[in-house]
Amino acid sequence: EAQVTQNPRYLITVTGKKLTVTCSQNMNHEYMSWYRQDPGLGLRQIYYSMNVEVTDKGDVPEGYKVSRKEKRNFPLILESPSPNQTSLYFCASSYSTGVGGYTFGSGTRLTVV
Amino acid sequence: KQEVTQIPAALSVPEGENLVLNCSFTDSAIYNLQWFRQDPGKGLTSLLLIQSSQREQTSGRLNASLDKSSGRSTLYIAASQPGDSATYLCAMGGTSYGKLTFGQGTILTVHP
Repeated sequence: EAQVTQNPRYLITVTGKKLTVTCSQNMNHEYMSWYRQDPGLGLRQIYYSMNVEVTDKGDVPEGYKVSRKEKRNFPLILESPSPNQTSLYFCASSYSTGVGGYTFGSGTRLTVV
Repeated sequence: KQEVTQIPAALSVPEGENLVLNCSFTDSAIYNLQWFRQDPGKGLTSLLLIQSSQREQTSGRLNASLDKSSGRSTLYIAASQPGDSATYLCAMGGTSYGKLTFGQGTILTVHP
């Protein structure tokens, strides 16, 4: 089944403890992206990657890092999480900058205390 | 700055009604427009994708249209069912590095 898989689905952590949210797609998509969803603010793009080793900032990149060493994986790294990063995170992929539309993962609900 | 607006913010209808959800966008350099469904606390399920060269797409009881000149898209749901209750999001794919710009969503409730 074609899908985007995120892990974990739920995570509660403490301020400052580094964490990684994994994202993997099995569709051989070139383009991958991370979004966060917050009440009243909607979905906003954090980072995106147009291909292996090519990443760039989205609208709200502060406090996040990403890497794209393999085509299928695009992990989101929070080096020092803070409470304002409590949010619902989504990973998405598409064949090439939106060609064929985007497939989204099931989401990761992160709580930073 | 690209902006996407969805109207209404919430809609409650009895089962069986035909309904229209509206989406407007500010950037005429649209690449595509995608409608999603989101159930509470869940992920986004793609419903329909309209490329900028297309005028509409249909899937089952759903029909989405795109009018680039007026900056509008509509999602038409025929014969609504309680299982259609969810938040519906439209997202504009611009030419800027594949970013999707989302609307705030329409919360749809279909009651029996």
